[in-house]
Amino acid sequence: AQSVTQLGSHVSVSEGALVLLRCNYSSSVPPYLFWYVQYPNQGLQLLLKYTSAATLVKGINGFEAEFKKSETSFHLTKPSAHMSDAAEYFCAVSVPTNAGKSSFGDGNTLTVKP
Amino acid sequence: DAGVTQSPTHLIKTRGQQVTLRCSPKSGHDTVSWYQQALGQGPQFIFQYYEEEERQRGNFPDRFSGHQFPNYSSELNVNALLLGDSALYLCASSGQMNTEAFFGQGTRLTVV
Repeated sequence: AQSVTQLGSHVSVSEGALVLLRCNYSSSVPPYLFWYVQYPNQGLQLLLKYTSAATLVKGINGFEAEFKKSETSFHLTKPSAHMSDAAEYFCAVSVPTNAGKSSFGDGNTLTVKP
Repeated sequence: DAGVTQSPTHLIKTRGQQVTLRCSPKSGHDTVSWYQQALGQGPQFIFQYYEEEERQRGNFPDRFSGHQFPNYSSELNVNALLLGDSALYLCASSGQMNTEAFFGQGTRLTVV
């Protein structure tokens, strides 16, 4: 079975500050890991994914995440927050044999202060 | 490529009624998964269809059922609606060679 834990449901940063959203996973097999962003009343947009290649993954909009097996973590970072980054962020885990079935965390609401 | 399309975008139903939601997968994809996202929560896996059969199911009651058609499109049916069924329902499609699923914009169901 797979699961993810996202700590700190609400995260607030100032514009230009570092964004750090934490995700820890549990998986009985080597996992695939994902970060999605969701804007109000919209679907999920993939930010980046880890699929067992490079452990440092770069995604869209300047986001990146590092897979750390020893810490079972996949934290999302962005060096400098922009007002347009304000949204809901979800971490998810799946198994390589089934891309369609993912287990999601409860999400982080990111607020960016001017 | 139109991507994953879902219909309708919004609907309102009365408690006890039945509802059908529809999903057309991304071109070339043969697997459709359905998720329920309650307000303030992450998406929860309902079930997955492949080759017109339910391949996997999450922890949802039998009131939730589905179907996949030969063209890979899919329907989600919910019977005897409860107020707690109010949520955003997301459809995701994938192919056998994909490492990720592609999500539609969702259907917002409100049960009153």
